[in-house]
Amino acid sequence: AQSVTQLDSHVSVSEGTPVLLRCNYSSSYSPSLFWYVQHPNKGLQLLLKYTSAATLVKGINGFEAEFKKSETSFHLTKPSAHMSDAAEYFCVVSDRDTGFQKLVFGTGTRLLVSP
Amino acid sequence: NAGVTQTPKFQVLKTGQSMTLQCAQDMNHNSMYWYRQDPGMGLRLIYYSASEGTTDKGEVPNGYNVSRLNKREFSLRLESAAPSQTSVYFCASSEVSAGYVADTQYFGPGTRLTVL
Repeated sequence: AQSVTQLDSHVSVSEGTPVLLRCNYSSSYSPSLFWYVQHPNKGLQLLLKYTSAATLVKGINGFEAEFKKSETSFHLTKPSAHMSDAAEYFCVVSDRDTGFQKLVFGTGTRLLVSP
Repeated sequence: NAGVTQTPKFQVLKTGQSMTLQCAQDMNHNSMYWYRQDPGMGLRLIYYSASEGTTDKGEVPNGYNVSRLNKREFSLRLESAAPSQTSVYFCASSEVSAGYVADTQYFGPGTRLTVL
């Protein structure tokens, strides 16, 4: 079965500094990977999606992620944090072991942005 | 286009009571899902419906039942609520794509359920 590990439960940055949220995955075949964001008391919104077309994936709100097969990583980055980026971020892998594609979620990383 | 809608937004139950969480999508998606979200555990799949007329168990199905009423609607029922079912419940939907590219799932706003 596929799985993801989010290496940090909390990340704190100052507004205007870079953001790095780390994710490692485990998959027995070429995976599809996602990052979702959840603002407080809201549902989940797709940030970006990797489907093997290009290893560097650009998403919404200036976020991007790079798929590195040799490191089994899919880290999320943003050059300059904004206060509105404060939220919980989930790294997600697609699992199709049973023949139907289901999503497997990491435990989440809470991003705190200070002025 | 409302996307995925869920009712109710909040609910408080006593142990042993039953209730049904409703979910509807207007994107003509084939697949629908129910998740629960607990602190520090991410989202876990309860049940899913790959297409109209089919339902299957996910990772944590015990204590729940589902009904795919039609292509738009997918309900989750708690027959006898327990405190361990206190959680935030999310419904999601997706198209079914050919091949191995995973579909994007679109999520509703969630139902916050407390069982006393």
